[in-house]
Amino acid sequence: AQRVTQPEKLLSVFKGAPVELKCNYSYSGSPELFWYVQYSRQRLQLLLRHISRESIKGFTADLNKGETSFHLKKPFAQEEDSAMYYCALSGDSGYSTLTFGKGTMLLVSP
Amino acid sequence: EAGVTQFPSHSVIEKGQTVTLRCDPISGHDNLYWYRRVMGKEIKFLLHFVKESKQDESGMPNNRFLAERTGGTYSTLKVQPAELEDSGVYFCASSRGGRSSYNEQFFGPGTRLTVL
Repeated sequence: AQRVTQPEKLLSVFKGAPVELKCNYSYSGSPELFWYVQYSRQRLQLLLRHISRESIKGFTADLNKGETSFHLKKPFAQEEDSAMYYCALSGDSGYSTLTFGKGTMLLVSP
Repeated sequence: EAGVTQFPSHSVIEKGQTVTLRCDPISGHDNLYWYRRVMGKEIKFLLHFVKESKQDESGMPNNRFLAERTGGTYSTLKVQPAELEDSGVYFCASSRGGRSSYNEQFFGPGTRLTVL
């Protein structure tokens, strides 16, 4: 069975500090990994996906198949980064049904 | 373009009653997904439509839940009769057609269901 684990419910940092939101997954095939974000009073939206290998809003995430991890990183956190972050996995069936982690709330203080 | 819309935004019902949630996907999106987040737990997949056909309903918790997508446009999710454990936020998402996991899913704002 596929599973996504986000060990931290809450991560609190100061503005300008580095951020790392952890995500580990369990899947027997070749999954696609995503990070979704939900800002206050907004809907869930895609932040980035591993296949794109891009940086969005200063965030990056590298898929480490050996450690089955897909941690989200940003070198310098901003207050506007405060949000709920969800790591998600899509199997290799061809359809993008998502399996989510429980989410990590990131709070960036001034 | 208008995003995914869901109605109602919040529903409070008593145990045993029936509730119907509605989702309008982005126009032209063939794929429509329903997810649910129960308090304290992760967002879980319920089912997936491709146009009007159910592609995968493996996440539906039991036969009290019935989803339809007549005509391949909007979808409804009916809970009958509702139980306390059905309380949570129900999300709908849509994506373009085709068997591709590259198709980004766009989420609606969710319907918060409270069963008393």
